[in-house]
Amino acid sequence: DAGVTQSPTHLIKTRGQQVTLRCSPISGHKSVSWYQQVLGQGPQFIFQYYEKEERGRGNFPDRFSARQFPNYSSELNVNALLLGDSALYLCASSLAGRGVNEQFFGPGTRLTVL
Amino acid sequence: ELKVEQNPLFLSMQEGKNYTIYCNYSTTSDRLYWYRQDPGKSLESLFVLLSNGAVKQEGRLMASLDTKARLSTLHITAAVHDLSATYFCAGLYSGGGADGLTFGKGTHLIIQP
Repeated sequence: DAGVTQSPTHLIKTRGQQVTLRCSPISGHKSVSWYQQVLGQGPQFIFQYYEKEERGRGNFPDRFSARQFPNYSSELNVNALLLGDSALYLCASSLAGRGVNEQFFGPGTRLTVL
Repeated sequence: ELKVEQNPLFLSMQEGKNYTIYCNYSTTSDRLYWYRQDPGKSLESLFVLLSNGAVKQEGRLMASLDTKARLSTLHITAAVHDLSATYFCAGLYSGGGADGLTFGKGTHLIIQP
């Protein structure tokens, strides 16, 4: 069975640019969450989407936005990139939006902002 | 707001030894997760602990949860080199209706022959 997939694997942008990251959840999973992991730190929660609706967001500025499509795949958009946005962006999928649902993580997208 | 603290943040140990990683959390979080991350890789789920007193074991790793003390432990028995990795604990933050995980800073574990 295919796990969570993310694209691209690596990305280099310059300050002020915009970036779109993509995630496909495990087949049958309806919830997607996004996390940012800065080097040497634990992942930080950005968004959760369930059934195409935003279920919640962490403490991130409005430059970060996301959406979920009818096939449950998701995109994370970051506008006006800052150097501090350089990180590994992880997508996690789970079966449903709440309850005892284990989150399975994708391989991540490594974003470097120059 | 849920806060998760792990200690130690760095641990170097010899093969064959036993050690414990501690994870304290600040508010009610009756679900506690342990993940493993190898350098440059994503997170691999190790354990999901759902209730007070829960204990789970897989090979040389054993995790437990004490919700009253707001403490989870990951115990390593007779460590082997292949267990070298960074280990994260994470609690469930349900603010705003989301199931976002709150992670600790991670314990970077090096096991030397």
